[in-house]
Amino acid sequence: GENVEQHPSTLSVQEGDSAVIKCTYSDSASNYFPWYKQELGKRPQLIIDIRSNVGEKKDQRIAVTLNKTAKHFSLHITETQPEDSAVYFCAASRSGGYNKLIFGAGTRLAVHP
Amino acid sequence: GAGVSQSPSNKVTEKGKDVELRCDPISGHTALYWYRQSLGQGLEFLIYFQGNSAPDKSGLPSDRFSAERTGGSVSTLTIQRTQQEDSAVYLCASSPLGAYNEQFFGPGTRLTVL
Repeated sequence: GENVEQHPSTLSVQEGDSAVIKCTYSDSASNYFPWYKQELGKRPQLIIDIRSNVGEKKDQRIAVTLNKTAKHFSLHITETQPEDSAVYFCAASRSGGYNKLIFGAGTRLAVHP
Repeated sequence: GAGVSQSPSNKVTEKGKDVELRCDPISGHTALYWYRQSLGQGLEFLIYFQGNSAPDKSGLPSDRFSAERTGGSVSTLTIQRTQQEDSAVYLCASSPLGAYNEQFFGPGTRLTVL
C-alpha cells in the first residue's frame, strides 16, 4: 500500500546550523510532495511543496529536493532559528484531481540558541 | 478572511457513546478532507469530499465511522460506539478542487474516550 517513511524522528541542532529531513515514498505514481510545519498545539501549515517535474525548489532558507528514481525527497533548512522548532511532516500524493495526502510520521526539530 | 474552523475543540466522552465532530471549510473550497492524528504520529487520511459526495472513504477505520457534507460546505464526522483507540486529534482540511492545491487545515478536535 501507500506509505511514506520519514527520518529522523527527532533532530536537535544549534542555531545557525542546517537541518535536513528525509522522506521515502512507496507509490511510484506520487507526483506532489508538500511539507507541513506543526507548532505545538497548532494546526499544520504548508511551508513548501514540489511537483515531480522539478528536482529542487527553494524559498528563502527552505529548500526541497526530489529524486523520483530513488523515490526520495528531502527538506533542507539553512541558518536555523529557534522559531524553526516544530514538528515537520512530509507527505506525498498522486495526481487524480484531488490530493489524498499520505503523511510521514513527523520529525521533531529543536533549534537551540 | 476566515480559515477552516472545527468544533468542538475538545471532546471527552465515555466508551460506547456516539460523538459528532464538525468542520466549517473555507468558503468556496470544493474539496474537504478529514485526517486523524494520534499522539506523536503523522496524519492519517480518513475521507475526502468533492462537493457533497465522498469519492474516497478508504481511510475510515471501521463502520463505526461515517461522515457527511451538506450544501457543499459544512461536514460532520460521526463516530458511533466510541472506543479508547478512537482517542486522537481529528483534523479537517479544505482546498480548491485540483491536484496541486494547498490544503488548509483547521485547528482540530481533540477527542478523548475514557
